[in-house]
Amino acid sequence: DAGVIQSPRHEVTEMGQEVTLRCKPISGHNSLFWYRQTMMRGLELLIYFNNNVPIDDSGMPEDRFSAKMPNASFSTLKIQPSEPRDSAVYFCASSSWGGDDEAFFGQGTRLTVV
Amino acid sequence: TQLLEQSPQFLSIQEGENLTVYCNSSSVFSSLQWYRQEPGEGPVLLVTVVTGGEVKKLKRLTFQFGDARKDSSLHITAAQPGDTGLYLCAGARRGSQGNLIFGKGTKLSVKP
Repeated sequence: DAGVIQSPRHEVTEMGQEVTLRCKPISGHNSLFWYRQTMMRGLELLIYFNNNVPIDDSGMPEDRFSAKMPNASFSTLKIQPSEPRDSAVYFCASSSWGGDDEAFFGQGTRLTVV
Repeated sequence: TQLLEQSPQFLSIQEGENLTVYCNSSSVFSSLQWYRQEPGEGPVLLVTVVTGGEVKKLKRLTFQFGDARKDSSLHITAAQPGDTGLYLCAGARRGSQGNLIFGKGTKLSVKP
């Protein structure tokens, strides 16, 4: 298995622009998580899905952030409009809920908003 | 509120030294995991501990889960430069549907 695949690896955008981050989870996993990592706040959970259904989005910072999971093999995290304080590394992870809870992470998307 | 506190935040040691990093909480977890993250990569699972008082060994790494399942420690013997990285603990709570709570991590640097 190729693991969790995220794209793009790096994104530089101007303030106010829309940003879409993409994630392909490991086949067969039924849970998907979006995290944001910064030096100041560490790894923060933004939202997670079980069986494509959003379970907890309380970590989504503002209405500017939205996430979708239209099917078991694809998810997006969108920021519209983006702001400089959104600059961070965004990770997608997947796991098999009901298993040993191990989360498999993608390589992340480094987002810079200028 | 940070539910999992990790200490120290930074640690720089010489090759061959021993070290211990800690993960503490006031909450009880059904299991606790340790991950290691290298620059430019996502975290990778090292171990999961489930039973209070459990001790697991992975080569030179020893992991312990507190009796009350609120805290954990990671001890590295004879550290090597390849151990350099960010060590993260993550707790799972019963009924949380796989949602993990992460600490901020301990950034370890092992100098040759």
